[in-house]
Amino acid sequence: NAGVTQTPKFQVLKTGQSMTLQCAQDMNHNSMYWYRQDPGMGLRLIYYSASEGTTDKGEVPNGYNVSRLNKREFSLRLESAAPSQTSVYFCASTAGTGDEQYFGPGTRLTVT
Amino acid sequence: RKEVEQDPGPFNVPEGATVAFNCTYSNSASQSFFWYRQDCRKEPKLLMSVYSSGNEDGRFTAQLNRASQYISLLIRDSKLSDSATYLCVVDSGTYKYIFGTGTRLKVLA
Repeated sequence: NAGVTQTPKFQVLKTGQSMTLQCAQDMNHNSMYWYRQDPGMGLRLIYYSASEGTTDKGEVPNGYNVSRLNKREFSLRLESAAPSQTSVYFCASTAGTGDEQYFGPGTRLTVT
Repeated sequence: RKEVEQDPGPFNVPEGATVAFNCTYSNSASQSFFWYRQDCRKEPKLLMSVYSSGNEDGRFTAQLNRASQYISLLIRDSKLSDSATYLCVVDSGTYKYIFGTGTRLKVLA
């Protein structure tokens, strides 16, 4: 039982490049989330998927797209990376609304 | 006013001390409350859920005051290993969770 896994762990991109961050959970959770964490800012919600087949914007969705591929997987895509997207990205999942969230180990992304 | 507010600290305390953190939230409709622990450059990990009646887990006690809209975390007999950032998390009632910016704790030998 791996919990929530994320790939890659580290990534360096040049401005304008694209990439997809992958997230998978094996806890049969319904809801999945993507956050970014910047120094002094706390975790900010980018997108979430309340259930398979649905996605919704969070607090800071600009510059990102998501896909809920199936119940297990939720990917985050940066179409044209910008230096402002340098951050640590965490994926999380939860069984249902109001339940505790479980986090993946994070992806550290640097955009130069 | 931020939806969830915490004192950023840092709190520097000696080993064995008791330390308390508070967190205030603005959404009176919130139903679920949590404390997470985050070590440097690692993912947040659930420390405790916070229930209306208060709850205790070993050296850790969490309290909820709905009338005043704050939650608290008390750590007794602090250990060096308790050094971390403690995040207050509140649900928004619509699948979303709001995170405080965290309170840094450093336990000194």
